[in-house]
Amino acid sequence: EIVMTQSPATLSVSPGERATLSCTASQSVGNKIAWYQQKPGQAPRLLIYGASMRATGIPARFSGSGSETEFALTINSLQSEDFAVYYCQQFTDWPPLYTFGQGTKVEIK
Amino acid sequence: QWQLQESGPGLMKPSETLSLTCAVSGGAISGSINYWAWIRQSPGKGLEWIGSIYYSGTDYYNPSLKSRVSMSVDTSKNQFSLRLSSLTAADTALYFCARHNSARDPYASGTFGYWGQGTLVTVSS
Repeated sequence: EIVMTQSPATLSVSPGERATLSCTASQSVGNKIAWYQQKPGQAPRLLIYGASMRATGIPARFSGSGSETEFALTINSLQSEDFAVYYCQQFTDWPPLYTFGQGTKVEIK
Repeated sequence: QWQLQESGPGLMKPSETLSLTCAVSGGAISGSINYWAWIRQSPGKGLEWIGSIYYSGTDYYNPSLKSRVSMSVDTSKNQFSLRLSSLTAADTALYFCARHNSARDPYASGTFGYWGQGTLVTVSS
């Protein structure tokens, strides 16, 4: 099973600053990586898929990068609504398997 | 706009079998090329994919849960369901149903674009 490791566990950022979150896969996953945002009491929301493609309706300040085993989610000019927990997720086609990282909490500094 | 809504008992006893249903609106499950999934979230294990199913009944499960899980689809009611047997306290979690993104896109098919709000299941004697 592919293990996804996110760092840091918590990131303290001031509004208007940039946040960079990391996700490392225990083995190569190509570009089959997604990022989700989750706020308290809500379901996760898809932000990025294919490592760098923004999902429908996601603001341009969210961007994804990386390939193989090292990935990053960058949030430029953090807005108040961006303070949340972010998860990376990988998937394999065969056998079908989907695994999530443990999450990075972005909090107000 | 697709909407998903989970329903089921909130409290279960150890060794019992959990049954959850996800009602889908905004489109027909039978008319969709997407798979449908169950995902759970607990403080100890984080987000964990349980299994996925197509409207035809083709299904696949997380190997770690496969021996205890089954899923089904009822196209007449536009809903799909989860059964999880031999419950223990470790199965206490918030259970989400979700829709996979388009199977036509190899980079999106394994991601989840629509989610229900989740239903909390507690396993306790």
